Amino acid sequence: QVQLQESGPGLVKPSQTLSLTCTVSGGSFSSGGYYWSWIRQHPGKGLEWIGYIYYSGSTYYNPSLKSRVTISVDTSKNQLSLKLSSVTAADTAVYYCARGSDVDTAYNWFDPWGQGTLVTVSS
Amino acid sequence: DIVMTQSPDSLAVSLGERATINCKSSQSVLYSSNSKNYLAWYQHKPGQPPKLLIYWASTRESGVPDRFSGSGSGTDFTLTISSLQAEDVAVYYCQQYYSTPFTFGPGTKVDIK
Repeated sequence: QVQLQESGPGLVKPSQTLSLTCTVSGGSFSSGGYYWSWIRQHPGKGLEWIGYIYYSGSTYYNPSLKSRVTISVDTSKNQLSLKLSSVTAADTAVYYCARGSDVDTAYNWFDPWGQGTLVTVSS
Repeated sequence: DIVMTQSPDSLAVSLGERATINCKSSQSVLYSSNSKNYLAWYQHKPGQPPKLLIYWASTRESGVPDRFSGSGSGTDFTLTISSLQAEDVAVYYCQQYYSTPFTFGPGTKVDIK
């Protein structure tokens, strides 16, 4: 059973780059054609999809964040990463990684999800 | 972008009573070629990741109690909890996966009356 776990700094200064890693266990990136996403939830707010990466490395980002987002994958470590540049307090959120449910299509629901990690942007 | 709205924002239901949550999309999420509605429902409890309940608008995820059901098509969808249990207290989100960027509804908080 695939499990995801996010990790990274819980505090980032304004204007810096937020960097998170999602480690996948119980499965391999290279063995399946899944899409892997990052999703965030601002405190007390709803869920916002950030973007996805296909196991092959192709990406799609939410246009609302596209200019600041990079999602990459390290298949040797079974990890995907998120980088969000020029952060402000508005980027304070719980960040989740999640996998698309079916192979070879981006258009599906998210399951499973990681536990999430809170990132606070503050000086 | 497809905008998802939900109603009500919150509701309180007595134990054993029915809870109904509505979700509306700004455009149809029904894909004509396969007649499937690209809509999912999640349950979200504090400190936990969202849990998938329903996909394809009405297909219950394995292990989800049958008191949860989804219905609707096109732009209007409903999540029904037929007999509310204490463990169902949570925020419920709908999500469209018809087109990118994938979008979620703002959530509906369900409490016990």
